[in-house]
Amino acid sequence: SAVISQKPSRDICQRGTSLTIQCQVDSQVTMMFWYRQQPGQSLTLIATANQGSEATYESGFVIDKFPISRPNLTFSTLTVSNMSPEDSSIYLCSVARTENQPQHFGDGTRLSIL
Amino acid sequence: GDSVTQMEGPVTLSEEAFLTINCTYTATGYPSLFWYVQYPGEGLQLLLKATKADDKGSNKGFEATYRKETTSFHLEKGSVQVSDSAVYFCALTQGAQKLVFGQGTRLTINP
Repeated sequence: SAVISQKPSRDICQRGTSLTIQCQVDSQVTMMFWYRQQPGQSLTLIATANQGSEATYESGFVIDKFPISRPNLTFSTLTVSNMSPEDSSIYLCSVARTENQPQHFGDGTRLSIL
Repeated sequence: GDSVTQMEGPVTLSEEAFLTINCTYTATGYPSLFWYVQYPGEGLQLLLKATKADDKGSNKGFEATYRKETTSFHLEKGSVQVSDSAVYFCALTQGAQKLVFGQGTRLTINP
Protein backbone atom coordinates (compact mmCIF):
# COMPACT_ATOMS: atom_id res chain seq x y z
CA SER A 1 0.00 0.00 0.00
CA ALA A 2 0.99 3.65 -0.37
CA VAL A 3 3.30 5.31 2.13
CA ILE A 4 1.52 8.31 3.63
CA SER A 5 3.39 11.03 5.51
CA GLN A 6 1.60 13.60 7.62
CA LYS A 7 3.24 16.69 9.05
CA PRO A 8 3.35 17.83 11.76
CA SER A 9 2.79 14.72 13.84
CA ARG A 10 1.65 16.85 16.76
CA ASP A 11 1.41 20.49 17.75
CA ILE A 12 0.25 22.70 20.57
CA CYS A 13 -1.29 25.95 19.38
CA GLN A 14 -2.76 29.11 20.83
CA ARG A 15 -6.44 29.85 20.33
CA GLY A 16 -7.19 32.14 17.44
CA THR A 17 -4.26 30.92 15.35
CA SER A 18 -4.30 28.64 12.30
CA LEU A 19 -2.33 25.50 11.48
CA THR A 20 -1.77 23.82 8.13
CA ILE A 21 -1.36 20.04 8.06
CA GLN A 22 0.35 18.38 5.12
CA CYS A 23 -0.31 14.95 3.64
CA GLN A 24 2.21 13.52 1.18
CA VAL A 25 1.81 10.18 -0.62
CA ASP A 26 4.64 8.29 -2.32
CA SER A 27 2.52 7.46 -5.37
CA GLN A 28 -0.34 9.00 -7.30
CA VAL A 29 -3.78 8.38 -5.82
CA THR A 30 -7.21 9.30 -7.06
CA MET A 31 -8.91 9.84 -3.72
CA MET A 32 -7.71 11.81 -0.70
CA PHE A 33 -9.75 12.47 2.43
CA TRP A 34 -9.47 14.34 5.71
CA TYR A 35 -10.98 12.98 8.93
CA ARG A 36 -11.23 14.26 12.49
CA GLN A 37 -11.02 12.07 15.59
CA GLN A 38 -12.03 13.91 18.72
CA PRO A 39 -10.63 12.63 22.04
CA GLY A 40 -11.90 9.14 22.77
CA GLN A 41 -14.21 9.23 19.77
CA SER A 42 -14.56 7.65 16.38
CA LEU A 43 -13.59 9.23 13.07
CA THR A 44 -15.71 11.72 11.18
CA LEU A 45 -15.12 12.71 7.57
CA ILE A 46 -14.39 16.42 7.16
CA ALA A 47 -14.07 16.54 3.38
CA THR A 48 -12.96 14.84 0.22
CA ALA A 49 -9.99 16.61 -1.35
CA ASN A 50 -10.52 16.81 -5.11
CA GLN A 51 -7.52 17.33 -7.34
CA GLY A 52 -7.76 20.58 -9.25
CA SER A 53 -11.10 21.63 -7.81
CA GLU A 54 -12.74 22.66 -4.56
CA ALA A 55 -13.04 20.09 -1.79
CA THR A 56 -16.38 18.46 -1.01
CA TYR A 57 -17.33 19.12 2.62
CA GLU A 58 -19.53 17.02 4.87
CA SER A 59 -22.40 18.44 6.83
CA GLY A 60 -21.14 20.46 9.77
CA PHE A 61 -17.81 21.38 8.17
CA VAL A 62 -17.21 24.54 6.15
CA ILE A 63 -14.47 25.78 3.89
CA ASP A 64 -13.79 28.93 5.91
CA LYS A 65 -12.92 26.85 8.96
CA PHE A 66 -11.17 23.96 7.19
CA PRO A 67 -9.72 25.14 3.87
CA ILE A 68 -8.23 22.29 1.86
CA SER A 69 -5.85 22.28 -1.07
CA ARG A 70 -4.98 19.47 -3.44
CA PRO A 71 -2.61 20.75 -6.11
CA ASN A 72 -1.69 17.31 -7.51
CA LEU A 73 -2.26 13.56 -7.14
CA THR A 74 0.24 13.07 -4.30
CA PHE A 75 -0.26 16.02 -1.95
CA SER A 76 -2.95 17.76 0.07
CA THR A 77 -3.18 20.23 2.93
CA LEU A 78 -5.81 20.88 5.58
CA THR A 79 -5.82 24.16 7.47
CA VAL A 80 -7.59 24.46 10.79
CA SER A 81 -8.44 28.14 11.06
CA ASN A 82 -9.08 30.42 14.04
CA MET A 83 -8.61 27.51 16.42
CA SER A 84 -10.42 27.06 19.71
CA PRO A 85 -10.01 24.35 22.37
CA GLU A 86 -12.90 22.45 20.74
CA ASP A 87 -10.65 21.86 17.73
CA SER A 88 -8.30 19.72 19.83
CA SER A 89 -8.38 16.41 17.95
CA ILE A 90 -6.41 14.03 15.83
CA TYR A 91 -6.63 14.96 12.15
CA LEU A 92 -6.03 12.11 9.72
CA CYS A 93 -5.40 11.99 6.02
CA SER A 94 -6.47 8.92 4.07
CA VAL A 95 -5.94 7.91 0.46
CA ALA A 96 -7.31 5.39 -2.01
CA ARG A 97 -5.67 4.60 -5.34
CA THR A 98 -9.04 4.44 -7.08
CA GLU A 99 -12.68 4.75 -6.06
CA ASN A 100 -12.90 0.96 -5.64
CA GLN A 101 -9.81 0.53 -3.48
CA PRO A 102 -9.84 0.63 0.34
CA GLN A 103 -8.61 3.71 2.16
CA HIS A 104 -5.26 3.78 3.91
CA PHE A 105 -4.46 6.27 6.65
CA GLY A 106 -1.53 8.38 7.70
CA ASP A 107 -0.41 8.42 11.33
CA GLY A 108 -2.41 11.57 12.02
CA THR A 109 -1.68 14.99 13.49
CA ARG A 110 -2.38 15.36 17.19
CA LEU A 111 -3.49 18.92 17.77
CA SER A 112 -3.99 20.60 21.13
CA ILE A 113 -5.27 24.15 21.47
CA LEU A 114 -4.62 26.10 24.65
CA GLY B 1 -28.25 7.53 6.52
CA ASP B 2 -25.80 4.68 6.74
CA SER B 3 -24.54 3.73 10.19
CA VAL B 4 -22.36 1.20 12.00
CA THR B 5 -22.84 -0.06 15.53
CA GLN B 6 -20.13 -1.87 17.47
CA MET B 7 -20.29 -3.68 20.75
CA GLU B 8 -19.43 -1.41 23.61
CA GLY B 9 -16.04 -1.62 25.17
CA PRO B 10 -13.66 -1.72 26.69
CA VAL B 11 -12.99 -5.42 26.30
CA THR B 12 -10.36 -7.10 28.46
CA LEU B 13 -9.19 -10.66 27.80
CA SER B 14 -6.38 -12.93 28.83
CA GLU B 15 -3.76 -14.01 26.36
CA GLU B 16 -4.84 -16.97 24.15
CA ALA B 17 -8.53 -16.26 24.74
CA PHE B 18 -11.09 -16.26 21.92
CA LEU B 19 -12.12 -12.82 20.70
CA THR B 20 -15.38 -11.64 19.20
CA ILE B 21 -16.19 -7.98 18.56
CA ASN B 22 -19.69 -7.50 17.24
CA CYS B 23 -20.48 -5.11 14.41
CA THR B 24 -23.82 -4.49 12.72
CA TYR B 25 -24.64 -1.99 10.03
CA THR B 26 -27.51 -0.15 8.43
CA ALA B 27 -27.19 0.76 4.77
CA THR B 28 -29.54 1.38 1.90
CA GLY B 29 -27.37 -0.28 -0.73
CA TYR B 30 -24.68 -2.95 -0.79
CA PRO B 31 -21.75 -1.58 1.14
CA SER B 32 -18.19 -2.78 1.42
CA LEU B 33 -17.23 -3.57 5.01
CA PHE B 34 -13.93 -3.05 6.81
CA TRP B 35 -12.17 -3.53 10.09
CA TYR B 36 -9.46 -1.01 10.95
CA VAL B 37 -7.12 -1.17 13.96
CA GLN B 38 -5.53 1.75 15.79
CA TYR B 39 -2.53 0.97 17.96
CA PRO B 40 -1.64 3.48 20.70
CA GLY B 41 -0.31 6.73 19.27
CA GLU B 42 -0.71 5.62 15.66
CA GLY B 43 -3.08 6.13 12.76
CA LEU B 44 -5.52 3.53 11.46
CA GLN B 45 -4.39 0.38 9.71
CA LEU B 46 -6.66 -1.63 7.46
CA LEU B 47 -7.04 -5.04 9.09
CA LEU B 48 -9.41 -6.78 6.68
CA LYS B 49 -12.26 -6.17 4.27
CA ALA B 50 -15.17 -7.81 2.48
CA THR B 51 -16.95 -6.39 -0.52
CA LYS B 52 -20.01 -8.63 -0.97
CA ALA B 53 -22.30 -10.94 0.92
CA ASP B 54 -20.71 -14.14 2.30
CA ASP B 55 -17.19 -12.86 1.65
CA LYS B 56 -14.75 -13.63 4.46
CA GLY B 57 -11.95 -11.19 5.12
CA SER B 58 -8.91 -12.44 7.02
CA ASN B 59 -5.54 -11.12 8.14
CA LYS B 60 -3.10 -11.78 11.01
CA GLY B 61 -5.38 -14.48 12.43
CA PHE B 62 -8.44 -12.20 12.45
CA GLU B 63 -11.54 -13.07 10.44
CA ALA B 64 -14.88 -11.48 9.66
CA THR B 65 -17.70 -12.67 7.40
CA TYR B 66 -20.09 -10.36 5.57
CA ARG B 67 -23.57 -11.51 6.62
CA LYS B 68 -26.21 -9.72 4.61
CA GLU B 69 -29.12 -11.53 6.27
CA THR B 70 -28.12 -10.28 9.72
CA THR B 71 -26.36 -7.09 8.47
CA SER B 72 -23.33 -8.04 10.51
CA PHE B 73 -19.54 -8.20 10.17
CA HIS B 74 -18.28 -9.58 13.49
CA LEU B 75 -14.54 -9.70 14.08
CA GLU B 76 -13.07 -12.93 15.51
CA LYS B 77 -9.70 -14.30 16.48
CA GLY B 78 -9.08 -17.71 17.93
CA SER B 79 -6.18 -16.87 20.24
CA VAL B 80 -5.33 -13.27 21.08
CA GLN B 81 -1.92 -11.93 22.02
CA VAL B 82 -0.82 -8.98 24.12
CA SER B 83 0.25 -7.27 20.90
CA ASP B 84 -3.40 -7.25 19.73
CA SER B 85 -4.22 -4.60 22.33
CA ALA B 86 -5.60 -1.67 20.34
CA VAL B 87 -8.80 0.07 19.33
CA TYR B 88 -10.78 -1.70 16.61
CA PHE B 89 -13.12 0.14 14.25
CA CYS B 90 -15.76 -1.39 12.03
CA ALA B 91 -16.60 0.71 8.97
CA LEU B 92 -18.56 0.69 5.76
CA THR B 93 -18.43 2.51 2.48
CA GLN B 94 -20.45 2.54 -0.66
CA GLY B 95 -20.37 4.52 -3.83
CA ALA B 96 -18.31 7.61 -3.26
CA GLN B 97 -15.87 6.05 -0.80
CA LYS B 98 -17.00 7.96 2.28
CA LEU B 99 -16.12 5.74 5.25
CA VAL B 100 -18.71 5.53 8.01
CA PHE B 101 -17.17 4.29 11.26
CA GLY B 102 -18.52 2.60 14.32
CA GLN B 103 -17.63 4.04 17.70
CA GLY B 104 -14.59 1.81 18.17
CA THR B 105 -13.89 -0.96 20.68
CA ARG B 106 -10.86 -0.76 22.95
CA LEU B 107 -9.30 -4.19 23.45
CA THR B 108 -6.79 -4.94 26.20
CA ILE B 109 -5.06 -8.31 26.38
CA ASN B 110 -3.44 -9.25 29.68
CA PRO B 111 -0.50 -11.68 29.80
